[in-house]
Amino acid sequence: AQSVTQLGSHVSVSEGALVLLRCNYSSSVPPYLFWYVQYPNQGLQLLLKYTSAATLVKGINGFEAEFKKSETSFHLTKPSAHMSDAAEYFCAVSPTGGFKTIFGAGTRLFVKA
Amino acid sequence: KAGVTQTPRYLIKTRGQQVTLSCSPISGHRSVSWYQQTPGQGLQFLFEYFSETQRNKGNFPGRFSGRQFSNSRSEMNVSTLELGDSALYLCASSFGQGATNEKLFFGSGTQLSVL
Repeated sequence: AQSVTQLGSHVSVSEGALVLLRCNYSSSVPPYLFWYVQYPNQGLQLLLKYTSAATLVKGINGFEAEFKKSETSFHLTKPSAHMSDAAEYFCAVSPTGGFKTIFGAGTRLFVKA
Repeated sequence: KAGVTQTPRYLIKTRGQQVTLSCSPISGHRSVSWYQQTPGQGLQFLFEYFSETQRNKGNFPGRFSGRQFSNSRSEMNVSTLELGDSALYLCASSFGQGATNEKLFFGSGTQLSVL
């Protein structure tokens, strides 16, 4: 069964510092991968998705993620953190023909002034 | 275009009761998925409906059930509530045509507290 693992339930960075949120997937075939963000008291919204067209995917709000098949990873990065980036981030995988999206446990990002 | 609407926003129940949550998808979306979100567990997949048919189901007991109506609105029901059912229940919709790279559009959720 396909799954995703997010390393680190909490990540804290200073404003202006690099953001790196880690995600590893398990799959026998290259899956579709997503990053979603959840702000307090809201539902999730899509940041970016990987669909095999390009290994480096750019999303909204300056975030990007790189698909590395050899490492089965899809880490999310942003060069310079902003206070408004404080939220919970979820990595997700969509198995072929499964009609469901499987989410990781989430990583809460804290941004210090 | 209206987003995904979930009602009610908050709900307090006692053990043993049952509850029904409602979800109205984005107009034109025919797939509705339900997730349970608890601290530390992330989002756990409950089930997915498309054109009134359940296409996939997660690993939850039979106390959790759902249905979808002809207008794509969906309800989920939890019977014989337990304390551990306290969670944020999220609904997500998509076109659901089978393209697995479709993104999900989420509602704000229903926060269920079981006392």
